[in-house]
Amino acid sequence: QSALTQPASVSGSPGQSITLSCTGTRSDIGAYNYVSWYQQHPGKAPKLIIYDVTDRPSGVSDRFSGSKSGNTASLTISGLQAEDEADYYCGSYTAGSPYVFGTGTKVTVL
Amino acid sequence: QITLKESGPTLVKPTQTLTLTCTFSGFSLNSSGVGVGWVRQPPGEALEWLALIYWNDEKRYRPSLKSRLTIAGDTSKNQVVLTLTDMDPVDTATYYCAHRHGRHGLSFDYWGQGTLVTVSS
Repeated sequence: QSALTQPASVSGSPGQSITLSCTGTRSDIGAYNYVSWYQQHPGKAPKLIIYDVTDRPSGVSDRFSGSKSGNTASLTISGLQAEDEADYYCGSYTAGSPYVFGTGTKVTVL
Repeated sequence: QITLKESGPTLVKPTQTLTLTCTFSGFSLNSSGVGVGWVRQPPGEALEWLALIYWNDEKRYRPSLKSRLTIAGDTSKNQVVLTLTDMDPVDTATYYCAHRHGRHGLSFDYWGQGTLVTVSS
C-alpha cells in the first residue's frame, strides 16, 4: 500500500488561485470516485474539506474545489487567504486496504 | 453533535502492547453505515491510515501492520479500542480516531484531538 503522491509544497499570494495535485494508481484514485481532501493546521486534527472528489461538507468555504482526471486528483484553492496556510492531505478509497492518504502538501501564503 | 476523544498511555516501552480507546458521542456504532477509523501521524510526517471498524463489525487493517493491529467496538460504552503489539520507536506518533463520513465511500469528517504516544525505553 503506497501513499498517494503530492508535491511537498505549493505557494501563492493572497487572492491568487493554487492547485494541489494528488497522484495515485488504477487501484485507488483511478478506480473510485472516493477521493477526499483534508486541511491540517499545526498542532490540530485534520479537517475534511472535500469528499467524493468534488463535494464539500457543510460549512466549508466554496473557495475549495476538487476534481479528478484519470489517476490524479486535484484541489483548487481560489482567492487564497492567510488562513489557508496549512498542510493538505488527499485520501482515497483503495482496493483491498481500503484507505490510503497522500504524502501531504504544505501550502504557504506569500 | 458528534465528538470523539482518544485516551491511553503517552509513553510505552519497546515490545510492549499499546491500547488506545476512542470514546465517542453523537452517533451509534451499530447504526447502518457508521464506521470509526484510526489514523496516526509521526512527528513532522504524513497521516497514515491504520484500521477501520464498520457498524456490522467488519474490520479492515493497514496491510503492512495487519499482524500487529486489532480494532474492536463496544456499542454499550460508545467506544472503539485499538491495540498495536510489539511497539517500536518508529511507532511514535499522534494517534487519532475519526468518524466515517456518510454511508458510501470512505472519508473522515469528525476527528478526535489526537493523543501523542512516545515509544522509548
